[in-house]
Amino acid sequence: KAGVTQTPRYLIKTRGQQVTLSCSPISGHRSVSWYQQTPGQGLQFLFEYFSETQRNKGNFPGRFSGRQFSNSRSEMNVSTLELGDSALYLCASSLLGDRGETQYFGPGTRLLVL
Amino acid sequence: AQTVTQSQPEMSVQEAETVTLSCTYDTSENNYYLFWYKQPPSRQMILVIRQEAYKQQNATENRFSVNFQKAAKSFSLKISDSQLGDTAMYFCALRTSGTYKYIFGTGTRLKVLA
Repeated sequence: KAGVTQTPRYLIKTRGQQVTLSCSPISGHRSVSWYQQTPGQGLQFLFEYFSETQRNKGNFPGRFSGRQFSNSRSEMNVSTLELGDSALYLCASSLLGDRGETQYFGPGTRLLVL
Repeated sequence: AQTVTQSQPEMSVQEAETVTLSCTYDTSENNYYLFWYKQPPSRQMILVIRQEAYKQQNATENRFSVNFQKAAKSFSLKISDSQLGDTAMYFCALRTSGTYKYIFGTGTRLKVLA
């Protein structure tokens, strides 16, 4: 099976712009989670989607949003980019999102905001 | 609030020796899972080992084992016979029922020295 894929792998944007990141989960996985990884904060949970519904959301401003499509692919959008949004954005998928399930991570999208 | 704390930002170990990475957590729930994930340099995050809180027996996976102390809320990872390929960032994570999200620690950067 193909692993979790994320596109694009690298992005450079300027402040005020918006960006959309894409994640394709492992085939058959219906739960997709997004994380922001920075050197100082580690991994911070953004949100989790299951069957096109957001089930949980982390403590991020409304500029961060996401969605999931019927084929379980997910997108994350950040509007009005700030310098502090520079980070590695990781997507992870699992079968149902149950607490004992292993999450499988993608390679991440590295976003640099200038 | 649920928290995960990794108090060792960086560690090093000689090849073939044993190293223990520390993790403490806090949750008021009784049913939860604990995980150790490994993120090699420029590579994807992968699961190392998991522990169900209701199981008293410590989990083991080949050279990796945990010391799970539920009352102390401690979950350390022991790597035996360290190999160069173990060089990575190690994250401890907690997942409770009904939250659909992982709480990650800030990570421990482990370097295995030849």
